[in-house]
Amino acid sequence: GAGVSQTPSNKVTEKGKYVELRCDPISGHTALYWYRQSLGQGPEFLIYFQGTGAADDSGLPNDRFFAVRPEGSVSTLKIQRTERGDSAVYLCASSLDRGPADTQYFGPGTRLTVL
Amino acid sequence: KQEVTQIPAALSVPEGENLVLNCSFTDSAIYNLQWFRQDPGKGLTSLLLIQSSQREQTSGRLNASLDKSSGRSTLYIAASQPGDSATYLCAVTNDYKLSFGAGTTVTVRA
Repeated sequence: GAGVSQTPSNKVTEKGKYVELRCDPISGHTALYWYRQSLGQGPEFLIYFQGTGAADDSGLPNDRFFAVRPEGSVSTLKIQRTERGDSAVYLCASSLDRGPADTQYFGPGTRLTVL
Repeated sequence: KQEVTQIPAALSVPEGENLVLNCSFTDSAIYNLQWFRQDPGKGLTSLLLIQSSQREQTSGRLNASLDKSSGRSTLYIAASQPGDSATYLCAVTNDYKLSFGAGTTVTVRA
């Protein structure tokens, strides 16, 4: 079946602009996660959704970052007033949410470049 | 806060040599540990997942061990091939979140 998909694959924007990154999880997966991977680093946790609600958003770096999942499927990560330091690959993952150790399946990521 | 460290940061070996990649973590209250492969500009491919109750997992030429009490895992890749060149990431699961190391970048020379 289809895996996790993310759009766009690449996004270039100017400092101060607003961007939206989209994630389509595997069908039937109720848990969805966002991670951010800066150059030369491992991915860092941003936010975790159980269904429509954010169960843990402790990784969001500041209030410029916001994520939604209104129907419990597709999720959008929104970044306001982008800064050059926001440049990174944004990874999305989904799981069946059978427990904290459930396998997370990753999408290919969106590479965000802020000029 | 969980901290995951991978040593070495980079490794270059001739084809056929065995690879040993190390991972350490500070909080032993993990559910599992996973090794991923990442090719340049690509997403993450899961290689092996070891549950906290297990000591090792094997898949083909790959073998991963876990010593939860000491906070360590080792990934062994036997008889390396140029196609094994990639970055290998270790990640542990605490409360739904994955915490990743920075990775070991492997180059296998033909």
